[in-house]
Amino acid sequence: NAGVTQTPKFQVLKTGQSMTLQCAQDMNHNSMYWYRQDPGMGLRLIYYSASEGTTDKGEVPNGYNVSRLNKREFSLRLESAAPSQTSVYFCASGQDSSGANVLTFGAGSRLTVL
Amino acid sequence: QKEVEQNSGPLSVPEGAIASLNCTYSDRVSQSFFWYRQYSGKSPELIMSIYSNGDKEDGRFTAQLNKASQYVSLLIRDSQPSDSATYLCAVDTGRRALTFGSGTRLQVQP
Repeated sequence: NAGVTQTPKFQVLKTGQSMTLQCAQDMNHNSMYWYRQDPGMGLRLIYYSASEGTTDKGEVPNGYNVSRLNKREFSLRLESAAPSQTSVYFCASGQDSSGANVLTFGAGSRLTVL
Repeated sequence: QKEVEQNSGPLSVPEGAIASLNCTYSDRVSQSFFWYRQYSGKSPELIMSIYSNGDKEDGRFTAQLNKASQYVSLLIRDSQPSDSATYLCAVDTGRRALTFGSGTRLQVQP
């Protein structure tokens, strides 16, 4: 019963470096999401994928790219990391329940950009 | 105006008391509402969902929704120190993905 698995859990980058956050879910959910969480800001949507083969921008997409590799996997890429991208990143997957998305979150990835 | 607003707290209540957490939202087309609990350093976990006006009870938790006032609340009865966490209100407008409030930190004093 793994649920939503994110890797890595911690990462330190230098400004300008690139990296990819990986996310996989084993719940057969159609929708997957990437959020970032900063102190006092709550969870802000970066990108989401309503189904395999589709991706859409969220509230704060600048500086990020995503790939929905298959139904299970949804990755987030930082091409040129900036200190403003220091944050905790959460992947989530959702299943329609009475017409709504009930999200299950991964454990989070704490990223520091120096 | 933020789409989903919560008082950041901390809300401090004694053990055994009722904790009342409030949330307002701006988009009238919002259809589904959720409360997530997040312990420090952990990921959010769903504790309640509510879709229609009125109250929904689940154990010690009661969610209340008033769409006319654009207001949703969470009551925690018989609060325990283990309830100390940040509570996130989330709203689904059906357009994109869940929009979260910034959360209310609850402290239950033994």
